[in-house]
Amino acid sequence: GDSVTQMEGPVTLSEEAFLTINCTYTATGYPSLFWYVQYPGEGLQLLLKATKADDKGSNKGFEATYRKETTSFHLEKGSVQVSDSAVYFCALGGSGTYKYIFGTGTRLKVLA
Amino acid sequence: DTAVSQTPKYLVTQMGNDKSIKCEQNLGHDTMYWYKQDSKKFLKIMFSYNNKELIINETVPNRFSPKSPDKAHLNLHINSLELGDSAVYFCASSQDSSGSTEAFFGQGTRLTVV
Repeated sequence: GDSVTQMEGPVTLSEEAFLTINCTYTATGYPSLFWYVQYPGEGLQLLLKATKADDKGSNKGFEATYRKETTSFHLEKGSVQVSDSAVYFCALGGSGTYKYIFGTGTRLKVLA
Repeated sequence: DTAVSQTPKYLVTQMGNDKSIKCEQNLGHDTMYWYKQDSKKFLKIMFSYNNKELIINETVPNRFSPKSPDKAHLNLHINSLELGDSAVYFCASSQDSSGSTEAFFGQGTRLTVV
């Protein structure tokens, strides 16, 4: 069945460091791909999305490119801030399963 | 104006009790979901409704019964609560059931069964 695999956390970085969180997927068909962010005590917020191969989603300095050849959607940010500390989820939808499938989440901690 | 709102935010109850969580969306979406997030943050789909019709029931115990009185509301009733039901429950909605557009999530209901 469809699945999403993302790197284990936690990831601890210093402020202004470069961030990469890896995400790969398995799906039949052509899914849409999403990154969500969850701050402590809150629900999930959409961070960015891409709906077809080679699309790049971007928001708040975060970017991810839909790579069909490597079935990947890695999240990157050039310079993280303390306020980016949260749990990040990679997800897929639109593969005919009528649901969103989430990765296990990666906790990011940014130190001042 | 909150797009997806669920109540209550916190729920503490004893084993064996029955409880309900309510969810409403004001986005005009056709599809609504319940997800369960465990203590390790893993998110698992429980139910999905499209225009008030159940389209996904992901092997959830019969003690969980969703109800959708109209397409803007999806409530979750849980009978005979067990310790293992303790988790955060998220309601979500999307434009349609295709999954090709993003889902919008409520703030979650933290259920603690003691």
